[in-house]
Amino acid sequence: SQTIHQWPATLVQPVGSPLSLECTVEGTSNPNLYWYRQAAGRGLQLLFYSIGIDQISSEVPQNLSASRPQDRQFILSSKKLLLSDSGFYLCAWSQVTGKNTIYFGEGSWLTVV
Amino acid sequence: KNEVEQSPQNLTAQEGEFITINCSYSVGISALHWLQQHPGGGIVSLFMLSSGKKKHGRLIATINIQEKHSSLHITASHPRDSAVYICAVNSRGGSNYKLTFGKGTLLTVNP
Repeated sequence: SQTIHQWPATLVQPVGSPLSLECTVEGTSNPNLYWYRQAAGRGLQLLFYSIGIDQISSEVPQNLSASRPQDRQFILSSKKLLLSDSGFYLCAWSQVTGKNTIYFGEGSWLTVV
Repeated sequence: KNEVEQSPQNLTAQEGEFITINCSYSVGISALHWLQQHPGGGIVSLFMLSSGKKKHGRLIATINIQEKHSSLHITASHPRDSAVYICAVNSRGGSNYKLTFGKGTLLTVNP
């Protein structure tokens, strides 16, 4: 069966420090991969999605970036965190074609101090 | 105005009550999802539907494409149903890869 793992679960980072959140999917190949952010009191916002290795689309301008070095690995990064980057980050995947159920990782709570 | 609107924002119920959460959307869609987010943050997909009705245990989801409206019902509610319920849609004609989310409905079921 397919599983999705995301880590770390929580982190507290100072302003200006780098960030790396990692997500891996098991049990499927060539999934669509997504990074979402959920800021306090707001809905889920799509940050990045990827349809294949090194194919990343960004939905909102920000100081975050994403990479997909392997088929089932999706990484969210920042060189210098801002206070406004605090929030709950979720990785997700779905099958490539058609309309499909989306599966979420456990999420990562980021607090920038 | 959000493309996906949920109501109510907050809902408190007594154990055993029948619960309805509503979702309205303003765009043409190819599918609608109901998600459940527990206090720890993890999200689980409950339903994906594009027409009619689906049932899973005590949960029922319905959609009316003409009225651009969906409802999530919980029968015989239980405190463990307490969570945020989120409606999300795949826009028709746009990318299949993107979902538009509602802001969620916080459900609290008291014993």
